Amino acid sequence: QKEVEQDPGPLSVPEGAIVSLNCTYSNSAFQYFMWYRQYSRKGPELLMYTYSSGNKEDGRFTAQVDKSSKYISLFIRDSQPSDSATYLCAMRTNNNAGNMLTFGGGTRLMVKP
Amino acid sequence: DTAVSQTPKYLVTQMGNDKSIKCEQNLGHDTMYWYKQDSKKFLKIMFSYNNKELIINETVPNRFSPKSPDKAHLNLHINSLELGDSAVYFCASSQEGKGGEAFFGQGTRLTVV
Repeated sequence: QKEVEQDPGPLSVPEGAIVSLNCTYSNSAFQYFMWYRQYSRKGPELLMYTYSSGNKEDGRFTAQVDKSSKYISLFIRDSQPSDSATYLCAMRTNNNAGNMLTFGGGTRLMVKP
Repeated sequence: DTAVSQTPKYLVTQMGNDKSIKCEQNLGHDTMYWYKQDSKKFLKIMFSYNNKELIINETVPNRFSPKSPDKAHLNLHINSLELGDSAVYFCASSQEGKGGEAFFGQGTRLTVV
């Protein structure tokens, strides 16, 4: 079992839909949680960063962390075709030597016009 | 003014060869990384390096070695390339003491034939 699990998709939604992307994890020591967006043949781009539990909103994006359930989510409101990409969750512990991130396998999202 | 840049973007080489990938960051970060992304899009840490220590993922073969001439550069040397080394390699950087959110380069697509 991987430390971080993420449904690979693809997830196909119509333009304007609300998208929910999720990750579950097994290591209760994870404290920092990130979401990256990766377009085809490009590097991962940091979207959202959250420390510990709670919500964080940035424009059309909302990140939620539920540490009691070991579950994190990314919501995209009013989804656009330009949101079509692979979304990767990433996390790390507080005492991680080297600040190394553990990634989920990514969910491919397709937003259709 | 690319934040994290790596060269080359594409690299095709024969089995048994030795090759290097270069990485530079202009963010003033003190920690740099190499990640490997396989054909299933799974991103896995290979190395973390700052001016104090090198952290190596234990699963990385010793044919792979990072070399850092200075704080802004972390190159990846690969000896005796094998078919299984074919993947996309990403360089990244972050600032120690913060959340560890990493900023990625555009990737080097390595194909071993």
